[in-house]
Amino acid sequence: ELKVEQNPLFLSMQEGKNYTIYCNYSTTSDRLYWYRQDPGKSLESLFVLLSNGAVKQEGRLMASLDTKARLSTLHITAAVHDLSATYFCAVDEDRDMRFGAGTRLTVKP
Amino acid sequence: DSGVTQTPKHLITATGQRVTLRCSPRSGDLSVYWYQQSLDQGLQFLIQYYNGEERAKGNILERFSAQQFPDLHSELNLSSLELGDSALYFCASSPGGGHEQFFGPGTRLTVL
Repeated sequence: ELKVEQNPLFLSMQEGKNYTIYCNYSTTSDRLYWYRQDPGKSLESLFVLLSNGAVKQEGRLMASLDTKARLSTLHITAAVHDLSATYFCAVDEDRDMRFGAGTRLTVKP
Repeated sequence: DSGVTQTPKHLITATGQRVTLRCSPRSGDLSVYWYQQSLDQGLQFLIQYYNGEERAKGNILERFSAQQFPDLHSELNLSSLELGDSALYFCASSPGGGHEQFFGPGTRLTVL
């Protein structure tokens, strides 16, 4: 059974600091996605990672995928308040799609 | 705006009832996915359709069913509703597998 684990589940950080969210999964899939969800809103696609070693960056966020370690990371650089949201990773394996539990990020001034 | 539309936005109903949620995918997308998001279960994948055919099944209860029509819109039918079915139901679409999914605004279902 495909399992996806995110940690931490809650993250409170100060503006300007760096941090990493981890996403571990249980299969050999090489299709991993990161989404953002603001309170009361829908999910917004952030990154699509489709091969081992894939790295994508958008603003202060950078995502990477290591399929051998079955690990993806979402790195936050110099956090700002606007990044406060819940971040989900999701793994797609053929006929199954699983989301992590989400990391609720709060960036404080 | 993702281009995916869902109706209705809110739905309040009673236990034992049946409801239908509707989703229109982005223009050109052939895949439609349904998800349930609740506080205790998180975001759960329910089912995927691709060009009218069921392609993948997740944690969908037998009381729930879905279909995708020739015009590619999809409906999720929930029957014999229970209090625990109260949740946000999202539809997402994509061109196909291996692509990012674009989520609709969701339907908030409340079962009283």
